[in-house]
This record gives sequence, structure tokens and C-alpha cells, in this order.
Amino acid sequence: DTEVTQTPKHLVMGMTNKKSLKCEQHMGHRAMYWYKQKAKKPPELMFVYSYEKLSINESVPSRFSPECPNSSLLNLHLHALQPEDSALYLCASSQVGQEGSTDTQYFGPGTRLTVL
Amino acid sequence: KNQVEQSPQSLIILEGKNCTLQCNYTVSPFSNLRWYKQDTGRGPVSLTIMTFSENTKSNGRYTATLDADTKQSSLHITASQLSDSASYICVASGYSTLTFGKGTMLLVSP
Repeated sequence: DTEVTQTPKHLVMGMTNKKSLKCEQHMGHRAMYWYKQKAKKPPELMFVYSYEKLSINESVPSRFSPECPNSSLLNLHLHALQPEDSALYLCASSQVGQEGSTDTQYFGPGTRLTVL
Repeated sequence: KNQVEQSPQSLIILEGKNCTLQCNYTVSPFSNLRWYKQDTGRGPVSLTIMTFSENTKSNGRYTATLDADTKQSSLHITASQLSDSASYICVASGYSTLTFGKGTMLLVSP
């Protein structure tokens, strides 16, 4: 199984709502990532979890809160978002995410988020 | 500052034809160079990964080259198919993060 799954596929939320994005992989990967991708732009790294611990936070606003309950699951909790946060949110995983590693990052299909 | 530049920005070719996409990078320290294919609205899918010691790597009709001296890479697509229509993203990996190019949008026309 080389699949990363993400739910929901689409999400529309108001600026006062609280919602969560979910990501799951069963490849035994110990590194998991959240990316944000705007239209016609490359993905931008948001967070990296390595062995269930947050290892990289790319200065993301606190209205985005990641959580890694176990080695297979990664959540992104959303609260008080702005319309400019509308984007495709991609989850990815890789074997270990070590320095200089050549292990492939496997991406999920993404969640298309619209903030009204 | 780490950067990845891709060219052309977009490309239209006829089905069955070959094409080559270019990538120039300035990432230091450099670990490896990756090419991804991304269909519209979907997550990127890995095509190839090359370390600085590798010059070429193939994956079916896709062949990537790497010149670590000039910091250039190319992705050659042979006998293009309609399903090759997608964005092709070049990614240079340092020791802790990935630097993404803006991608080349390829359209294969019947």
C-alpha cells in the first residue's frame, strides 16, 4: 500500500468555524508533512513531524494547529481562518525524513479548502 | 537563498512527440534532485530522485538527467500521451528541506 489518504476532499468554512483536516498512511513512514498550495504555485511547506514530534514549523500562523496522534495519522486543526487561506492542503509522508535522505515523499490527493 | 527555476513555464505538444523540460537550481548544501508530476487538483506523484553522483535516471517514458557541476537537470518525455498533460515540478533537496520550482505546465494535444 503506497497510498496517503486525506479527508475531506473539499471543505467550505466560515471565518468563525473550527474544522480539521485528516491524513493517514499505512506505509510505516515516520515523517509526515503538511503543505499549502495556491493555484498555479508550487507547494509551500507548513509543518514536518518526525517520529510523531513536530520538527519543523515554517512560521505558520497559530490559526493552523497540527497534531500527530500516532505514526499513521496527521491532523491539521483550523480555527478563525481568513479568505486568503483558501488553497489545496497537501499531506505527504516519507520513511524517515532524515538529513540528506533520498527517500521519496508520497503525497495525498489534497483537501481543497475554501474560506468564506 | 535556495532557488529552483524551471523552463518553459508552459508547453503544448502534439501526442506522440517528445519534449524536454529544464530545471536550474541553486541549493546549498545539495542532496538530491526530484521530479514530480502533478495533475490538476491532485497531489504530486514522484517520477525520479537523483543524488549528486547520478547523471541519469529513467522511469518508463520519463528520463531525468542531472549535471551537479552546472546545477542543471532536465526531464525528457518520450512518445507523449494525452495523460502526460500535467504540471511537472522540479524539487531540489538540501539537508533539511525541499525547494520547489514553480513547475512547467505541459499540455499534450491530440
